[in-house]
Amino acid sequence: QQQVKQSPQSLIVQKGGISIINCAYENTAFDYFPWYQQFPGKGPALLIAIRPDVSEKKEGRFTISFNKSAKQFSLHIMDSQPGDSATYFCAASKTFGTYKYIFGTGTRLKVLA
Amino acid sequence: DADVTQTPRNRITKTGKRIMLECSQTKGHDRMYWYRQDPGLGLRLIYYSFDVKDINKGEISDGYSVSRQAQAKFSLSLESAIPNQTALYFCATSDSGQGIGNEQFFGPGTRLTVL
Repeated sequence: QQQVKQSPQSLIVQKGGISIINCAYENTAFDYFPWYQQFPGKGPALLIAIRPDVSEKKEGRFTISFNKSAKQFSLHIMDSQPGDSATYFCAASKTFGTYKYIFGTGTRLKVLA
Repeated sequence: DADVTQTPRNRITKTGKRIMLECSQTKGHDRMYWYRQDPGLGLRLIYYSFDVKDINKGEISDGYSVSRQAQAKFSLSLESAIPNQTALYFCATSDSGQGIGNEQFFGPGTRLTVL
């Protein structure tokens, strides 16, 4: 009930293409779903986050799509650029009570120039 | 700049040695976390602390201990290091203040190798 399953483990996309990373959760009490981006040698940093009262959130080229009934959410990177090459982690958390994250296992994205 | 710092950045040690990883933050956050990152396993929570007098075990606390010396400092200790504790360790902080959201701010990581 506490797991967050992330796929794919790795992804190679051509420059200008769309990168899609998927996550699924089990615990319906989760109500905060962030995506973190990690470059080599750095700590993860918040990229974009969504709460389940909306089905989509867009920030620039990055969009989260959220399907509450399916307990799934995904990150779409439009017009992928070589600078987007990084590891991406989805996570799930409860807003109230504890602020612990349950992280997915990560997706290593490589965007070819 | 307000920041999360970790020391050391890299450490090689031998099996059975005691080692301490330190985390300091200037963000004024009350909540601090220690994670371990392994390839294919993502980020797993070791311990977390919501204030100076609060310490909680995460999902993989066995073999680790922590100390919250002050609001700004949170240390992780391996009492007797073993090779399967070889990993990348991250400290993170967050603010319990309302309206801030749940964002966690990560340090640069410590790469630990246990021989």
